[in-house]
Amino acid sequence: GAVVSQHPSRVICKSGTSVKIECRSLDFQATTMFWYRQFPKQSLMLMATSNEGSKATYEQGVEKDKFLINHASLTLSTLTVTSAHPEDSSFYICSASDRGHGYTFGSGTRLTVV
Amino acid sequence: GENVEQHPSTLSVQEGDSAVIKCTYSDSASNYFPWYKQELGKGPQLIIDIRSNVGEKKDQRIAVTLNKTAKHFSLHITETQPEDSAVYFCAALSGGYQKVTFGTGTKLQVIP
Repeated sequence: GAVVSQHPSRVICKSGTSVKIECRSLDFQATTMFWYRQFPKQSLMLMATSNEGSKATYEQGVEKDKFLINHASLTLSTLTVTSAHPEDSSFYICSASDRGHGYTFGSGTRLTVV
Repeated sequence: GENVEQHPSTLSVQEGDSAVIKCTYSDSASNYFPWYKQELGKGPQLIIDIRSNVGEKKDQRIAVTLNKTAKHFSLHITETQPEDSAVYFCAALSGGYQKVTFGTGTKLQVIP
């Protein structure tokens, strides 16, 4: 089946630094990739939708200058959390969509900002 | 936009019993309804899905039913096992998979 690889699985960074999270579709071309944020014991909150080669569409309330999304190829999307602060600590999950494969999630990245 | 409600939020069952989780959706244009299982610290994993042209789908101990008229769909797990313990999310999508709306999740605990 479709596989989406997400790295790193865990990252700890200092306040003010930036962190990049990668999401790769391994065996299919992902025309659309999605980035979610999940707080403890809560559902997934969509942050942004990105289509290959175009700018990401951010959900209301999500700062596009803080959460930079790049989808430069059909197999790779990156989320960069810029100038991270403790309140950015969360579980970030990507997913990739291809009309033939539906909707597949990555394994998630636990970000802790200290 | 789409709104998906999921119940119950927590569910405890004895090993071997059945578990049922229910979801309702609001957008009649939604036509794809996946169910995901999420274990602690991991990403959601698709366990079963159903499309709007089908009323029921079964895969071993897991089944999903869909009532388009009432706009609700349910996940049924039979002969539950401790490894079924996880958080389950329902979701609804409309054509093109451009956006998915998730339910609020159900924490299932199977007691040995």
